[in-house]
Amino acid sequence: KAGVTQTPRYLIKTRGQQVTLSCSPISGHRSVSWYQQTPGQGLQFLFEYFSETQRNKGNFPGRFSGRQFSNSRSEMNVSTLELGDSALYLCASSLKQGATDTQYFGPGTRLTVL
Amino acid sequence: GDSVTQMEGPVTLSEEAFLTINCTYTATGYPSLFWYVQYPGEGLQLLLKATKADDKGSNKGFEATYRKETTSFHLEKGSVQVSDSAVYFCALYNTDKLIFGTGTRLQVFP
Repeated sequence: KAGVTQTPRYLIKTRGQQVTLSCSPISGHRSVSWYQQTPGQGLQFLFEYFSETQRNKGNFPGRFSGRQFSNSRSEMNVSTLELGDSALYLCASSLKQGATDTQYFGPGTRLTVL
Repeated sequence: GDSVTQMEGPVTLSEEAFLTINCTYTATGYPSLFWYVQYPGEGLQLLLKATKADDKGSNKGFEATYRKETTSFHLEKGSVQVSDSAVYFCALYNTDKLIFGTGTRLQVFP
């Protein structure tokens, strides 16, 4: 079974631009979560989608948004990019929402903002 | 709020040495606990997990026991290999999200 895939793997943008990242979960998984990883802040939860609905959101500004499609694929959008948005963005999928359900991570998208 | 505290790295060991990476947590209720590993240039891989007190997770020679009385989930391995060199993250799952520790870099030398 194919794992979680994320596209693109690398992205370079300039301040003020916007960016869209894509995540395809493992087949059959309905929950997708997004995380931001930076050297200074570590791994931080952005949001979770389940059945096309945002179920949970971390402490990030409204410039960060996302959505999930009927096939469970998810996109994350960051508008008005800032230098501090440079990070590795990780997507994780799980079968369902639930406290014990294991999340499987993709390889990440490395975003660099110049 | 919920949090995870890991020992700072890097942890530097010789091949075949014993490994312990400490992890303690603060959480309401009864979270599930995880160890993830990240190899250079890659995403996170689940190493092991435990979902209730006294559960022991194990995988690839790594073990960790969910200790509710000490709120700990220390990672151990009896004999490390060079290929175990990576960053290890302790995490808890509570209120529908994973909360990670800061990660501990392990370097194993031959």
